[in-house]
Amino acid sequence: QKEVEQNSGPLSVPEGAIASLNCTYSDRVSQSFFWYRQYSGKSPELIMSIYSNGDKEDGRFTAQLNKASQYVSLLIRDSQPSDSATYLCAVGGIQGAQKLVFGQGTRLTINP
Amino acid sequence: GAGVSQSPRYKVAKRGQDVALRCDPISGHVSLFWYQQALGQGPEFLTYFQNEAQLDKSGLPSDRFFAERPEGSVSTLKIQRTQQEDSAVYLCASSPDRNTEAFFGQGTRLTVV
Repeated sequence: QKEVEQNSGPLSVPEGAIASLNCTYSDRVSQSFFWYRQYSGKSPELIMSIYSNGDKEDGRFTAQLNKASQYVSLLIRDSQPSDSATYLCAVGGIQGAQKLVFGQGTRLTINP
Repeated sequence: GAGVSQSPRYKVAKRGQDVALRCDPISGHVSLFWYQQALGQGPEFLTYFQNEAQLDKSGLPSDRFFAERPEGSVSTLKIQRTQQEDSAVYLCASSPDRNTEAFFGQGTRLTVV
């Protein structure tokens, strides 16, 4: 079993709809959780971080964390074609960004 | 520059050749990380520095891989006797300290032929 699992997709969502991306992790001591966006041929770009249970909102993005279920998600509201990218879930230990474990990424396509 | 800078952006090496990849972190960032990203996969951790100290090198795939950060700023990842399976994008990331988010450079795409 992989440490961080994501559905590789592709996930297709119509423009203006909500895109929902999911991630599960296996290490219960994980304390820090990140979502990165990666356009084709580009480097990962941090879009959200979350450290405690519940929701965290930033603009059109909402990260949700449930440590009991070892589950983290990212919601993108009012999806735009520019949101089309691969979204990487990354999990860190107690010491934050050290040694992040990434999922394989979910490829998201927003259809105009 | 404001971001993490990596060079070269692209490198083609013949099998058996040694290569050196450079990373310039964001100024003042204490923590520096190297990741390897194969096509269609998420990045995989290679090694971590805090200032000049290499605190974790558990992800280095073999003793052909070596990383250094002698003055606590610029880092070099060296791969000796490159093999085809070393072909990947090598990403460098830095963060202000070990407890905050890491920011990635553009990566070096290494192709071993």
